[in-house]
Amino acid sequence: DGGITQSPKYLFRKEGQNVTLSCEQNLNHDAMYWYRQDPGQGLRLIYYSQIVNDFQKGDIAEGYSVSREKKESFPLTVTSAQKNPTAFYLCASSGWETGGRSASTDTQYFGPGTRLTVL
Amino acid sequence: AQKITQTQPGMFVQEKEAVTLDCTYDTSDPSYGLFWYKQPSSGEMIFLIYQGSYDQQNATEGRYSLNFQKARKSANLVISASQLGDSAMYFCAMREGSRSNYQLIWGAGTKLIIKP
Repeated sequence: DGGITQSPKYLFRKEGQNVTLSCEQNLNHDAMYWYRQDPGQGLRLIYYSQIVNDFQKGDIAEGYSVSREKKESFPLTVTSAQKNPTAFYLCASSGWETGGRSASTDTQYFGPGTRLTVL
Repeated sequence: AQKITQTQPGMFVQEKEAVTLDCTYDTSDPSYGLFWYKQPSSGEMIFLIYQGSYDQQNATEGRYSLNFQKARKSANLVISASQLGDSAMYFCAMREGSRSNYQLIWGAGTKLIIKP
């Protein structure tokens, strides 16, 4: 069954540490995204990638880094430079897929999210 | 200026009643797409329905329909015969320009609570 997985579900980090959040998809989508969501608020785009080995900064990229070495994987590293990293992080993907689930190729499908807490 | 506005921070609705969640948008691009997502307390964002700016008919998907009024720049989500499981946050989002633009602009959301 196709979908997007994120791990871990909960993550605790000490101040000054870098942590990496995993995002994997088996939908054969070209584009992948990372969003941050703070309590009671909407989504803000951190980074996105349209193809392998390429990615662009979103609205709040400072303190984060990504890589896109494989089509199915788009890990996000929260660095110690991120001043307030405690938040809910959502990964998404979009594009043509086998099975034709989406109404359009730009429909984004999301993983279950990772809750990051800085201790 | 806000590109996507959801004016209802929260709503209470009786079970089995219809619900309309408001969304207005602002764009000067003739080509755009509008999306609605549901976020239950578990956190996952669930895609509900999509409307393209050139689509002649309002989108429908099961109990969900999109009341698309282009001249008013509104794209309200209608949920018919609400159920307890519809209690969640609902977000409206817009893609401006062509489909090669991958970014979505998100509204602040509406919290819907269905009362038994």
